[in-house]
Amino acid sequence: GEDVEQSLFLSVREGDSSVINCTYTDSSSTYLYWYKQEPGAGLQLLTYIFSNMDMKQDQRLTVLLNKKDKHLSLRIADTQTGDSAIYFCAERESSASKIIFGSGTRLSIRP
Amino acid sequence: DAGVIQSPRHEVTEMGQEVTLRCKPISGHNSLFWYRQTMMRGLELLIYFNNNVPIDDSGMPEDRFSAKMPNASFSTLKIQPSEPRDSAVYFCASSEKTGGITEAFFGQGTRLTVV
Repeated sequence: GEDVEQSLFLSVREGDSSVINCTYTDSSSTYLYWYKQEPGAGLQLLTYIFSNMDMKQDQRLTVLLNKKDKHLSLRIADTQTGDSAIYFCAERESSASKIIFGSGTRLSIRP
Repeated sequence: DAGVIQSPRHEVTEMGQEVTLRCKPISGHNSLFWYRQTMMRGLELLIYFNNNVPIDDSGMPEDRFSAKMPNASFSTLKIQPSEPRDSAVYFCASSEKTGGITEAFFGQGTRLTVV
């Protein structure tokens, strides 16, 4: 079945880049997402990438997709304290409504 | 639209009691999802509906859990009887399947504590 895996924790220094990694198993995944969860809140869509793309950049965010290795990453440049949150990787087949999430990576920022 | 609305925000109950969590999806959305979040297991998909019909309930942990969607604007997740290991944050999400990116919109969650 489908499975999405992420490391649970990441700590970076303020101003450095953060790279959050994710692997998935479903080769038919068409849409891959990154969601952000701030404390006490639900998840919100941060960015997404289609499976026919290798890279997507949106301001401080860069998403890289290696479809051969089924590896997705999210890079946050110039990490700020406001970026502290849990980041979830997720996948979906084009024909399906179901979205499968990873366990989330808790990003903490140190001064 | 006010977004996905869940109630209650917090629920504390005693072991053995029935718990009912409620969700109002975004108007016009045709898919609804129930997720459970714990520190140990992360975010788990419990069940999802398309057009009010349950499509996949393979994530429902056991028979104590049941979910219904009597109409397009309301869904419930019921736990009977509740156990301490059910303590978690339960999220409801809805989406509109358009063939595009199909963003899932999440509610604020219900934090359930079973003592």
